[in-house]
Amino acid sequence: GENVEQHPSTLSVQEGDSAVIKCTYSDSASNYFPWYKQELGKRPQLIIDIRSNVGEKKDQRIAVTLNKTAKHFSLHITETQPEDSAVYFCAASMDQAGTALIFGKGTTLSVSS
Amino acid sequence: DVKVTQSSRYLVKRTGEKVFLECVQDMDHENMFWYRQDPGLGLRLIYFSYDVKMKEKGDIPEGYSVSREKKERFSLILESASTNQTSMYLCASSLIYGTSGSYEQYFGPGTRLTVT
Repeated sequence: GENVEQHPSTLSVQEGDSAVIKCTYSDSASNYFPWYKQELGKRPQLIIDIRSNVGEKKDQRIAVTLNKTAKHFSLHITETQPEDSAVYFCAASMDQAGTALIFGKGTTLSVSS
Repeated sequence: DVKVTQSSRYLVKRTGEKVFLECVQDMDHENMFWYRQDPGLGLRLIYFSYDVKMKEKGDIPEGYSVSREKKERFSLILESASTNQTSMYLCASSLIYGTSGSYEQYFGPGTRLTVT
């Protein structure tokens, strides 16, 4: 089955710096790649997602890139702010509806001011 | 606003007890999911359902079963609770066809289950 590896497990940056989180997946049939953010004590929330027919997607300070050949995708956060501090999860899905997600183990991002 | 609710925020049960975790969503979503979340292990899919009375195994179904008798309600059952099932359990729901290529899952607040 699908396996998703996520790195790094922890990431500390200064406010204003950029942060990059990387994920690799094992099954080339995967076609949907969302990223979820979970603040302390709260539920995960979708922040951005990308389908396999798109190489890059941006939404303000966040962007996701996908390299299908290498089977990896990355989350980029620019101009980080303290409120970006959270656990970030990548995920991959193989089914046609993009529903059954396999998540990475998460990256704890700390942004210090 | 999508609302996914779970029956309990905290639950303490004894080893061997039968445990029911309930999840309800109010947005007429077809898909519902149960995950467990453990530190350092991320979110692991236990079971999911595409429709009423339908269920599919996720990555870690052993020791669990599910029930979906109504579209809005998805129950997770621990037939005989064990200490290694102590965890945070998260329910989620989503539309089966998504919107604009996105299949966003909306999560409930979680149930922290302790089995002693």
